Amino acid sequence: DTGVSQDPRHKITKRGQNVTFRCDPISEHNRLYWYRQTLGQGPEFLTYFQNEAQLEKSRLLSDRFSAERPKGSFSTLEIQRTEQGDSAMYLCASSSVQGINYGYTFGSGTRLTVV
Amino acid sequence: AQSVTQLDSQVPVFEEAPVELRCNYSSSVSVYLFWYVQYPNQGLQLLLKYLSGSTLVKGINGFEAEFNKSQTSFHLRKPSVHISDTAEYFCAVSDSGTYKYIFGTGTRLKVLA
Repeated sequence: DTGVSQDPRHKITKRGQNVTFRCDPISEHNRLYWYRQTLGQGPEFLTYFQNEAQLEKSRLLSDRFSAERPKGSFSTLEIQRTEQGDSAMYLCASSSVQGINYGYTFGSGTRLTVV
Repeated sequence: AQSVTQLDSQVPVFEEAPVELRCNYSSSVSVYLFWYVQYPNQGLQLLLKYLSGSTLVKGINGFEAEFNKSQTSFHLRKPSVHISDTAEYFCAVSDSGTYKYIFGTGTRLKVLA
């Protein structure tokens, strides 16, 4: 068990470009979550998957954002036409259905800077 | 909707002194409460959790927290801090049986030599 992995760790992109982040959860965890953390704030919920099904999306997730989890394994978060307001740390976490009450396991995050 | 308040954005404390980081949540019938720690440029690590039972919960690294239902609080304490405890601490709440956590804005603990 190597924990939750996120790639890349850092991404600098020009405004208007598309970016994609990847998250590899703990293999036996069937729930996967994306959160966004801006400077000075706590993480805010974006979306969550149970297996391959995306079961909830926050209103923070505009039409420019899309997340997938093919085959219920890794997940990708894509941001199209990035804006400076998208600059943040994007955190992925996973849990089992039974283990949700025992807390998430977070990855180290992907820090996005839009210039 | 649930909300979490961490009133102290920054807490400086000298090494080996005790510390308390405050967390209040909005009232709900049944909640689960968590404290996470975040070291620079890293993800969040679970320190401790309250699900039910004893109101005093112990976590990793010598931290403990007390659930107070009447005051809707879940303050984090450590009797003697170390330099290595310097980090950001987040309180989080979820309604029991849900998957979504609501986080506070965090408290930056700075331990001074």
